[in-house]
Amino acid sequence: GQQVMQIPQYQHVQEGEDFTTYCNSSTTLSNIQWYKQRPGGHPVFLIQLVKSGEVKKQKRLTFQFGEAKKNSSLHITATQTTDVGTYFCAGPTSGTYKYIFGTGTRLKVLA
Amino acid sequence: DAGVIQSPRHEVTEMGQEVTLRCKPISGHDYLFWYRQTMMRGLELLIYFNNNVPIDDSGMPEDRFSAKMPNASFSTLKIQPSEPRDSAVYFCASSLGVMGRAYEQYFGPGTRLTVT
Repeated sequence: GQQVMQIPQYQHVQEGEDFTTYCNSSTTLSNIQWYKQRPGGHPVFLIQLVKSGEVKKQKRLTFQFGEAKKNSSLHITATQTTDVGTYFCAGPTSGTYKYIFGTGTRLKVLA
Repeated sequence: DAGVIQSPRHEVTEMGQEVTLRCKPISGHDYLFWYRQTMMRGLELLIYFNNNVPIDDSGMPEDRFSAKMPNASFSTLKIQPSEPRDSAVYFCASSLGVMGRAYEQYFGPGTRLTVT
């Protein structure tokens, strides 16, 4: 079945350093969504990418959808302690609203 | 809007007991999803509904799990009988869906289930 993998699984950074997480799907995706889950919280939607090669920015966060629509990345510039949490990508099974969530990348930011 | 509402927030039960988790989606949303999250398996989709009709329940672990959505504002996930391996955080999420385009999912706060 469809698989969505993320690397790295964990990342510890010093506050102010950059951070990137990568998402790879075993199948081509019609779109990809990114979510953030704070410790003890629930996933919160960040963004959706639809077009091949699409790049979107939200303040210090930059999201990219690969040309082949099988991979995506999230880059955070100059991390802050508020960025702590687990970042998930999610892609739909072809032709459905069934989203497969990636394995997640847990980010810790050291002050 | 109050967002997606789940109850109870925490549930501790003994093995063999019946457990019922409840969810109220955001008004107007036509998709409802039930997820289970564990350290070992991550975030897994159990079942999802569209306009109160179950569309895909392939993620339901086994016959001990059942889900219903009797109306647009209420859904339940039932485990009977419960087992220790069912211990997890169960999330309900809802979203709007328009032909050819999926919108973001809004997650509830989750129910942390512990089966002893």
